[in-house]
Amino acid sequence: GAGVSQSPSNKVTEKGKDVELRCDPISGHTALYWYRQSLGQGLEFLIYFQGNSAPDKSGLPSDRFSAERTGGSVSTLTIQRTQQEDSAVYLCASSLRGRTPQEDTEAFFGQGTRLTVV
Amino acid sequence: QQQVKQSPQSLIVQKGGISIINCAYENTAFDYFPWYQQFPGKGPALLIAIRPDVSEKKEGRFTISFNKSAKQFSLHIMDSQPGDSATYFCAASNLKRRGYSTLTFGKGTMLLVSP
Repeated sequence: GAGVSQSPSNKVTEKGKDVELRCDPISGHTALYWYRQSLGQGLEFLIYFQGNSAPDKSGLPSDRFSAERTGGSVSTLTIQRTQQEDSAVYLCASSLRGRTPQEDTEAFFGQGTRLTVV
Repeated sequence: QQQVKQSPQSLIVQKGGISIINCAYENTAFDYFPWYQQFPGKGPALLIAIRPDVSEKKEGRFTISFNKSAKQFSLHIMDSQPGDSATYFCAASNLKRRGYSTLTFGKGTMLLVSP
C-alpha cells in the first residue's frame, strides 16, 4: 500500500499569510505525528494524535500553529500569519499503535513539505 | 533541554571504512532507541533499532551498541559505501508510556563516504 503522503511538497508563501499542510497517513495507522526540521537541526516534535484521544500539542511553538485530524485519518497543520522563522521542512509520520508496546510498529515518515516564507 | 545529544555533526569516511556516530540521552525512562537514515528530499526511514535489554544489535553492515549505565548508544556502519552517504538521526522514545511515545531526535549527522 501507499506510504505517508504529504502535500504540497513545496510551498512558498508571503510573510503574514496563512498556510495549510496536509498529511495522509498509512491506512489503519492510529498514531500520527508532526515534526519540523530546520536547517542544521534535528526533528522538532510539534503535535501527536493517537486514536480518539486528545492530541498532545505540547510541541507547538506558538498559538499561530494548530492541527486537526479528521475522522482519525487525514491531518492538517495550519500556520497562521506565517513568519520567516517558520521556514522549514514539515514532516508527518504515522504508526500503528497496538494494545501493548510489542504491538506497536515503527513510525513511517512522509517526504515532507518544504515551507519557505518570503 | 536537549534530551538526545548526537555527535559528530558531520563525518567523512573513505569507502570501506567504519563510520561511527554517537548519541547520549538523559531521560532514563527511554526504552526504545532507533536510528533513522535520511536522503536529500526524502523523509527519514528507520534503519535499525534497539531496546535496552540488549547491548548490541547487528543488521547487515549496521550495528547499534548500547550502554545503559552510561546512557549512550552508537551506530557503526561497517565497510561504508558511497550509497550510505546520508544524514543519520538517533532517536529515543518511551514505549511503555501508553498513548504517548513520540520520538525525541538528535540533531543529525551528515555522513559522506568518499569513493
